[in-house]
Amino acid sequence: NAGVTQTPKFQVLKTGQSMTLQCAQDMNHEYMSWYRQDPGMGLRLIHYSVGAGITDQGEVPNGYNVSRSTTEDFPLRLLSAAPSQTSVYFCASSSAGAGGNTEAFFGQGTRLTVV
Amino acid sequence: SQQGEEDPQALSIQEGENATMNCSYKTSINNLQWYRQNSGRGLVHLILIRSNEREKHSGRLRVTLDTSKKSSSLLITASRAADTASYFCAPTKAAGNKLTFGGGTRVLVKP
Repeated sequence: NAGVTQTPKFQVLKTGQSMTLQCAQDMNHEYMSWYRQDPGMGLRLIHYSVGAGITDQGEVPNGYNVSRSTTEDFPLRLLSAAPSQTSVYFCASSSAGAGGNTEAFFGQGTRLTVV
Repeated sequence: SQQGEEDPQALSIQEGENATMNCSYKTSINNLQWYRQNSGRGLVHLILIRSNEREKHSGRLRVTLDTSKKSSSLLITASRAADTASYFCAPTKAAGNKLTFGGGTRVLVKP
């Protein structure tokens, strides 16, 4: 199994450009989330989804859009990139089974630089 | 907020020593999870302890949970250089399994 796959691994954007970070999982997980991690910091939740067609905001949603049209995919869109969005982005998925007592699986991250 | 706060922020030990780090949180939880992150890579799940459990073991890892004090500890015994990483706790409610993280504990194991 591939687990959680994020693409691209690295990206440089100019201020004002838009782009989509891709996240796909092959474990049929209901829950998917996007996080950002700034240097020396923990992960902050951007958006999450509890199933296809259902998304909600996390701690730092401004400047980002998500949609969940399939169980497998959860793309993160940057609408108009800003230098403050320079960060490492992680996608995660987990199962809704066992009453929510399940581990999350993380992708390897997308390192984004906005110049 | 469900976010856990890890303490200490950083820890430096010699190979073979034990490493202990703590996590405090503010709200009631369904479970608490610990994750490891090696040098900017994705987080890897270590252990999950349910709110009705007090202690759990996995290999060289021992986790305790005290819901009355809203705190948890992670003990790594007989540390190895490969244990050098950042460790994060995630206190979790069941609905949506939404994980939030603190700043983590950076552990350096010196050979």
